[in-house]
Parts: sequence; structure tokens; C-alpha cells
Amino acid sequence: NAGVMQNPRHLVRRRGQEARLRCSPMKGHSHVYWYRQLPEEGLKFMVYLQKENIIDESGMPKERFSAEFPKEGPSILRIQQVVRGDSAAYFCASSPPKQGAHNEQFFGPGTRLTVL
Amino acid sequence: DAKTTQPNSMESNEEEPVHLPCNHSTISGTDYIHWYRQLPSQGPEYVIHGLTSNVNNRMASLAIAEDRKSSTLILHRATLRDAAVYYCILSGTSYGKLTFGQGTILTVHP
Repeated sequence: NAGVMQNPRHLVRRRGQEARLRCSPMKGHSHVYWYRQLPEEGLKFMVYLQKENIIDESGMPKERFSAEFPKEGPSILRIQQVVRGDSAAYFCASSPPKQGAHNEQFFGPGTRLTVL
Repeated sequence: DAKTTQPNSMESNEEEPVHLPCNHSTISGTDYIHWYRQLPSQGPEYVIHGLTSNVNNRMASLAIAEDRKSSTLILHRATLRDAAVYYCILSGTSYGKLTFGQGTILTVHP
């Protein structure tokens, strides 16, 4: 059973460009989470999605950031008009479709975004 | 989510046991205690979780105080591959959102 896959692993963008980060959850997982880790800082929750629904986007910046998890295909985190402060490691996690505060989350290897 | 407090760093020698403490004095009755770790340049990895009773798995043991205001992650024989940042996280939500603190940087000496 393949783990959580993220691509690209490294992404370089110039200021003002768009960045698209993809996450394929583990097989059978319908919950996806995105986290961001800024340099020398801890992991911060961004958004939680289920298939075709955004459940909690309380950690998403108000502008330029959006996320989706379509019925078919990977989850996408999209950053429009990137700025240098967006440079960070973005991690995706998935968990199986059961309720409870003790779901284990399986993390991908991350996408390291560098904005020039 | 209730707050956790961990030491910034700890050191251990290879093949010795390691006890990583976590204080969570404001824990609520429904909060689970989770431990994750993050190896250098990798995504976090689940280690163990518990509610009230001590827990063991192939990676570690979790000892939970009787009043649940603190817990200890125990690595029985540290290896160099255990060098990582260890996060103690409380989760009382229904969907498992994780709130990471600064964690404890564990250094393992050969």
C-alpha cells in the first residue's frame, strides 16, 4: 500500500507566479490535511478536506491560497501570486474515513517551495 | 485545544532508554494524547497515542499519569535513527486536526 504521495518534491517559483502542490492520499483514505512549515518554525495546520468538501480552512491565509479535493484525482493546494514569505515546506496528510479524535494521520514527504 | 509543554531538547546515548516528558495540565477528559516525530527533511510520523491507560507498540511506550496532566514517551533503546523532533499533541476535536508545538529535539550520540 503506497504511502501519501506529494509532487513535486521541490518547486521553485518567481514572485507573482502560481504554485500548485499535489497530494495523493493513501488508498482508501478520504480525509486530507495540509500543513505548512516555515523555516525554523513548527508545523501549522492550514486546511482539512474531505472528497469535494472543505471542512475546516481556519489555518489558510485569507488571500491567494485555495485548496480542493475533487471526487477524482489528487488534492491540490494552490498559491496564487507567490511572495517570498510563501517559501516553506508544505506537508499533506491523510486519514481513513472514520470519526474520532484519535485518527492517525499519515504524512507525505512534503513539497519544498522556494520563491525567488 | 489544550496546550502542551515539552523541553526544547534532550540528549541520549545509543542503545540507552529515553524518556521524553510532556506536561498538559489543562487536558480535558476527551483529549487524546498523540505523539508524532519528524526526522530531518521528512514529514511527521505517527508514534503512539493514548487516552488514559499506558500504551505499548513496536516503536515506543506511552506512560500517562493517573491525573492525565502529564505523559512520558519512552523509547526503550535509542538508535541513531531515532534522532528527530518529537511532538506531544492533544486532540479533542472530532476530526483529528493536529496542533503542533515546538516539540523536543532529541539528539542520539553513538
